[in-house]
Amino acid sequence: EVQLVESGGGFVQSGGSLRLSCAASGFTFIRYDMNWVRQAPGKGLEWVSVMSGSGGNTYYADSVKGRFTISRDNSKNTLYLQMNSLRAEDTAVYYCAKYGTGSYAPFDYWGQGTLVTVSS
Amino acid sequence: DIQMTQSPSSLSASVGDRVTFTCRASQSISNYLNWYQQKPGKAPKLLIYGASSLVSGVPSRFSGSGSGTDFTLTISSLQPEDFATYFCQQSYSYPLTFGGGANLEIK
Repeated sequence: EVQLVESGGGFVQSGGSLRLSCAASGFTFIRYDMNWVRQAPGKGLEWVSVMSGSGGNTYYADSVKGRFTISRDNSKNTLYLQMNSLRAEDTAVYYCAKYGTGSYAPFDYWGQGTLVTVSS
Repeated sequence: DIQMTQSPSSLSASVGDRVTFTCRASQSISNYLNWYQQKPGKAPKLLIYGASSLVSGVPSRFSGSGSGTDFTLTISSLQPEDFATYFCQQSYSYPLTFGGGANLEIK
C-alpha cells in the first residue's frame, strides 16, 4: 500500500525557515517524480515544485522560486522541501504527491498534508 | 503559464441528479487534463486522468471528456458521498496549474 506521510509543518514568523519532509513507502521511490502541492486555508490547490526520481531535474512555481528548494534522499525514501524567506502568503497545508505512471502524470497518491502557518 | 478556469464555481444538486462541471484551458493542452475530488479536511483524490480515463475503483457514474481547451466532468447520478469539491489540473506543461475548484453542495 502506498503511503506518503508529511511532517515538519508548524508556526513560523515571516522571514523564517522551515523544512518539510515526506516519508514514502509501498512503492519503488526512486522510479517516481515527486511533487509538493499546497492549499491555503479555504482556497484552491497550487502546485509548488517537482523533482525527478533521480533528483536531476527540478521545477518550481514562480511564487516560490529562489526561496524554496526541493530535494530527496532515495536511500531514505524521503522527499524534502526547504522553505526560506517565508511570507504570510505561504501559509497553507502542504501535500506531497506522487506522479502516476504513463504520460499524463496525474497525482495518483497524496499525503495527508502538513500545515505551515507564517505569522506576519 | 496555462490558466485553468472551472465553471460553475459552486453547484447545488440533489441525490440522483446528473451534474456536469466544465474546465477550460487558456491554450490547448491536448488531453493532459486530470480531475480530483476533495472532501473537507482531506487530501485530494484522483478520479480521472488523461481527460477521460477512470481511475480503478472510482465508480462508473463519473466520466470525463474533452480535448484541446474544453473539458467536462460528469456525474451521472449523484450519490450522497459525491458532495465535495472538484478540481481540474493540467499536466501538459510546467508550471502545473489547477482550476479554482467547483463546490458541489446538497440542495
